[in-house]
Amino acid sequence: DGGITQSPKYLFRKEGQNVTLSCEQNLNHDAMYWYRQDPGQGLRLIYYSQIVNDFQKGDIAEGYSVSREKKESFPLTVTSAQKNPTAFYLCASSIWAGNTEAFFGQGTRLTVV
Amino acid sequence: KNEVEQSPQNLTAQEGEFITINCSYSVGISALHWLQQHPGGGIVSLFMLSSGKKKHGRLIATINIQEKHSSLHITASHPRDSAVYICAVTNGGGADGLTFGKGTHLIIQP
Repeated sequence: DGGITQSPKYLFRKEGQNVTLSCEQNLNHDAMYWYRQDPGQGLRLIYYSQIVNDFQKGDIAEGYSVSREKKESFPLTVTSAQKNPTAFYLCASSIWAGNTEAFFGQGTRLTVV
Repeated sequence: KNEVEQSPQNLTAQEGEFITINCSYSVGISALHWLQQHPGGGIVSLFMLSSGKKKHGRLIATINIQEKHSSLHITASHPRDSAVYICAVTNGGGADGLTFGKGTHLIIQP
């Protein structure tokens, strides 16, 4: 079945360590997105990629980095510069950027201690 | 930038009750999504709407483009419907994904 896979579902890291969250899709979608969710807030856009080897900052990109070397993969690195990294992270994709239909991963809950 | 508002923020009801969750947005959109998030975080897409009404089982979603408003209804609610329901919009022509509401936390008591 086609879909988006995020791994792991839960992740714990020590403060000061970089951590990379995985997002893989087999839907042949061009566009991929990373969102962050904090308690009591809506999901906010971190980074998005419209096509392979291209990506743009979203609303809250500081302290994060991404790469898009392959169409099916869009990993997110939470760096030590991110002041409050503990959050729920959601990956999404659409067939092309601006297309109305979006598909969602199951999310990764990151806890930094 | 679109502003998406949901109401109520929290809702507790008894099993069997008819549930309505509302969503309004500030700028014209190309589509509106209703999502369900269970404890543990996993998100399921329930509906995508650009006009009219859609029904799936006990769930009904409606949208009024002129009023910039959508509602999600649950008929014959059940404790397994307890979840956070999130409204999200695709900004017309925009490549930068979705704008999300803060969600409605629904609890259905037996």
